[in-house]
Amino acid sequence: QVQLVQSGPEVKKPGSSMKVSCKASGDTFSTYAISWVRQAPGQGLEWMGGIIPIFDKGTYAQRFQGRVTITADEGTRTVYLELSSLRSDDTAVYFCAKSTSWGYDSSGSRIFYAFDIWGQGTMITVSS
Amino acid sequence: EIVLTQSPGTLSLSPGERATLSCRASQSVNSSYLAWYQQKPGQAPRLLLHGASTRATGIPDRFSGSGSGTDFTLTISRLEPEDFAVYYCHHFHTSRTFGRGTKVEIK
Repeated sequence: QVQLVQSGPEVKKPGSSMKVSCKASGDTFSTYAISWVRQAPGQGLEWMGGIIPIFDKGTYAQRFQGRVTITADEGTRTVYLELSSLRSDDTAVYFCAKSTSWGYDSSGSRIFYAFDIWGQGTMITVSS
Repeated sequence: EIVLTQSPGTLSLSPGERATLSCRASQSVNSSYLAWYQQKPGQAPRLLLHGASTRATGIPDRFSGSGSGTDFTLTISRLEPEDFAVYYCHHFHTSRTFGRGTKVEIK
């Protein structure tokens, strides 16, 4: 059974950057699709982006383009989320999540299917 | 961008009752790309259904899903104490959006 273990909580200053890790156990890591989903306090879920390690290139939600980078290290079976120019409204719990599958649609866009395995979440607080 | 609207915002029911949760998309979506999750306080979401109606591994059969086009429904046939939680629908194609959630609380 795949497990995802995330790094611990952090407090960041506005304008700084954050980097959260998500370490996977189990086999076939390189062909997993791993996404990052965040949840602000008392709010709903928001998909930020995802990666399939064998392709080594992230796919990002438009609203985070230019501010987010998702990378994967196949050697350590770890996926990273970097978010720059942090603001107070980036305060949230950040989850990594594995998709049941992945594919492409007719336009060539990558599809990250439903998330069946989740990390425990990492609380990031942005405060001066 | 496809917007998912969930209703009601809060559902107050007693254990043993039937819960019906709605998820409406702002435009027609392929049901293959529609999922439902359950989230309890302080926990990560748990996948309940994908493909609108296929239960995920280990999900009890009191959870069922239906719908097509713009209207989707999650039904919990008889609420168990552990079912009181927040439920989210999710469209994981194109806009990759979640609904705002329906909280099922104990009446």
